[in-house]
Amino acid sequence: AVQLTQSPSSLSTPVGARVTLTCRAGQDIRSAVAWYQQRPGKVPDLLIYDASTLQSGVPSRFSGRGYGTEFTLTISSLQPEDVGTYYCQQFNNFPFTFGPGTKVDI
Amino acid sequence: EVQLVESGGGLVRPGGSLRLSCVGSESNFNSYWMSWVRQAPGKEPEWVANIAHDGSDRNYLDSAKGRFTVSRDNAKNSVYLVMNSLRAGDTGIYYCTRDVWVGVIPGPHESWGQGTVVTVSS
Repeated sequence: AVQLTQSPSSLSTPVGARVTLTCRAGQDIRSAVAWYQQRPGKVPDLLIYDASTLQSGVPSRFSGRGYGTEFTLTISSLQPEDVGTYYCQQFNNFPFTFGPGTKVDI
Repeated sequence: EVQLVESGGGLVRPGGSLRLSCVGSESNFNSYWMSWVRQAPGKEPEWVANIAHDGSDRNYLDSAKGRFTVSRDNAKNSVYLVMNSLRAGDTGIYYCTRDVWVGVIPGPHESWGQGTVVTVSS
């Protein structure tokens, strides 16, 4: 199975700050990466897929980039409603796998 | 907006079985791959299985192979997960999900149900 690692594991940042989360894959997964946000007590929400395609309805302050084994999710100006845990997922190989998550707090 | 509603979870002893069901609200349910994703308390989500839009292809997490079976009935807008030989490690919330795109290639999960809780314990 393709192993994903995420860094940092957690962070606490002021409102308005720029935040960059990293996801690294144990092998080349091209651009087959998605990012999800899970607010406390809620179901995961798809933010980005194909490494950089913004899901419909997701605010433009979220952006993604990367290819191969290294990927980033950037929040250009952190808002209070962005608190939660962010997971990357690869869908290049079965079984699809998720990273351990980055917890974002304010 | 797509609505997915799961049912069938519960408390079961190790070695027992459960059948999870998911009903979708949209009329083009038969155009999408569907997946089951589970999440243990405090852990990341874990993809368990998926099934092609027409049921022609299915894939499983290694630990689910031989124990779990995913199926669908497009006439009923439903997808199912039969789980046998359940273990403590299968405990978690089981979510039914719909892929983000129509097509023959499976992908990430755009729509999620609220989940059904499976607890495997003696």
